[in-house]
This record gives sequence, C-alpha cells and structure tokens, in this order.
Amino acid sequence: EDQVTQSPEALRLQEGESSSLNCSYTVSGLRGLFWYRQDPGKGPEFLFTLYSAGEEKEKERLKATLTKKESFLHITAPKPEDSATYLCAVRSNDYKLSFGAGTTVTVRA
Amino acid sequence: DAGVTQSPTHLIKTRGQQVTLRCSPKSGHDTVSWYQQALGQGPQFIFQYYEEEERQRGNFPDRFSGHQFPNYSSELNVNALLLGDSALYLCASRTDMNTEAFFGQGTRLTVV
Repeated sequence: EDQVTQSPEALRLQEGESSSLNCSYTVSGLRGLFWYRQDPGKGPEFLFTLYSAGEEKEKERLKATLTKKESFLHITAPKPEDSATYLCAVRSNDYKLSFGAGTTVTVRA
Repeated sequence: DAGVTQSPTHLIKTRGQQVTLRCSPKSGHDTVSWYQQALGQGPQFIFQYYEEEERQRGNFPDRFSGHQFPNYSSELNVNALLLGDSALYLCASRTDMNTEAFFGQGTRLTVV
C-alpha cells in the first residue's frame, strides 16, 4: 500500500524567511507526485505534478523537487498569503491519490 | 469556465439517517473521485467513477455508495450515518487521460 509522510506537521515563518517542506513516500511504481494547497474549509488547489527523479517545477515563490524517495516544496521569501496547508499525494495506478496529512504553514507579517 | 462544483456546502444530519451529496465535474472531465477528509488529516479515497461505473474503491464500508450520470455528474450516498462520518467530503474530477485532479470546495457533513 502506498505511504506518504509529510514533515513538519506545522511551520511558523516570518515574512521573507525561506523554508522547505518534506514529503517522503513509498509506492510501487510512481505515476505522479502531486502538491496541493488547501485553505481552511476549502477544497485542495492543484499546484504541481512531478513524474521522475530530478524533475523540478516552479510557480511564483514555490518550487517543488523530486527524488526517488521524497519531494520537497521550497517556499522562497514567503508572504502572509502563502499561509495554508500544503498536501502531498502520490499516484501508483490509474485511479486513486494517496495523501499525506499535510504541513500547515503560517507566515507572520 | 466553472470548476468542480459540489452541493450542498454544509449539511447537518442525525445518526442513522441517510445523506446524498452531489458533484458536477469541471467541463471536459469524465472521471470523478470522492474523498473523505477528517479534521487535521489528508483526504482518504472513497471510490472513483468512469463511464458510469465504479472503477476502484477505497477502504470504506458498503454504507458508502455512489453513482455517475451520463453527463458525468456524480452522487455520493451514505446510509445509516455514524458520528464518525462527520468530515469534509471532496469531489475531484479529471479527464481519463490526464492525471491532474481538480477538487471542488467540498461538503462539510456534521452528524449529531
């Protein structure tokens, strides 16, 4: 069974203080690793898909990277509006996504 | 372009009752999945529908059932509600050939 572990559970940052979130996974045949952002009481918002080790994707202050065992979401010079829960998920067949519990990021002005 | 839409947004039910949640997929999407998200947890896969058939099911009891209509919209039904069924229920859609799933805003179900 696919396993996804995210760390840390919570992260408090000062505005402008860069940091990284970790997603460790165990999967039999990775068909995609996904990052989502989720605001309180809302549905997850798609950010990135990564397919193979070494792949990187960027969007504004966010950069996602992938190795054979883990993925990192780097937040560069965060702003308060980057405060959210960031979810990592893996897909190993055509059907379901297996999610981690998420990292809740709080950015203080 | 409307994204994935779910209704209702909030719902309160009594133990033992039955509930139906609805989902309209993003335009052009034909595959719909349902997830349950408990507070502080990641979403858990319930099942997926494609071409009006349940294609895969997660570790959920038979009290959870679903349906997909010819226009690709979907319903999630939960019978004999338990307090533990209280959660955010999420619908996600994608094209069958595209792996990126887009989520709706969810239905917050509270069982009392």
